[in-house]
Amino acid sequence: EDKVVQSPLSLVVHEGDTVTLNCSYEVTNFRSLLWYKQEKKAPTFLFMLTSSGIEKKSGRLSSILDKKELFSILNITATQTGDSAVYLCAVSINRDDKIIFGKGTRLHILP
Amino acid sequence: DAGITQSPRHKVTETGTPVTLRCHQTENHRYMYWYRQDPGHGLRLIHYSYGVKDTDKGEVSDGYSVSRSKTEDFLLTLESATSSQTSVYFCAISRVPNTEAFFGQGTRLTVV
Repeated sequence: EDKVVQSPLSLVVHEGDTVTLNCSYEVTNFRSLLWYKQEKKAPTFLFMLTSSGIEKKSGRLSSILDKKELFSILNITATQTGDSAVYLCAVSINRDDKIIFGKGTRLHILP
Repeated sequence: DAGITQSPRHKVTETGTPVTLRCHQTENHRYMYWYRQDPGHGLRLIHYSYGVKDTDKGEVSDGYSVSRSKTEDFLLTLESATSSQTSVYFCAISRVPNTEAFFGQGTRLTVV
């Protein structure tokens, strides 16, 4: 059975801290890994990763994929209260075009 | 923002009644997905479509059916709503499966 596991499920840090969110996966026919941020409503796209070792970066957020060890990390540096959200990891599967999500990491940034 | 509209945005219905949720897109994307989101479960795939009249089941498809008679519309039907189907339902679209999926604003469904 294909699965995506995120850790931790919940995280509380202070503004200015750096956080690392983890995503591991077990799927057949991996195509890509995607990260989303969900605040109050719909998830919004952050990154798509297809190749190992190539860091994707957007401002204070960055992500990298390890296809040998089957995991990805999402780093957020110098966190701000606006980073408080649920961060979702998803895997796109080549075999049947599905996109499967993990349960998410709820991040709360204290001022 | 990607042109995705879900309707209705909120609905309360009684157990045993049929319910249809609509997802409408103006992006001409081939792939459309229906997810439900529940506390502690994240987003779970119900059904998806890879073209007009081409649909397949996701991980939690029991009690749900879908139809896609034209590119822009993907309908999700609860044949006989149950309280366990109380959830927030999200529609998503993607141009090809290995690119990002864009989400609608969600439909909050309550079955009483």
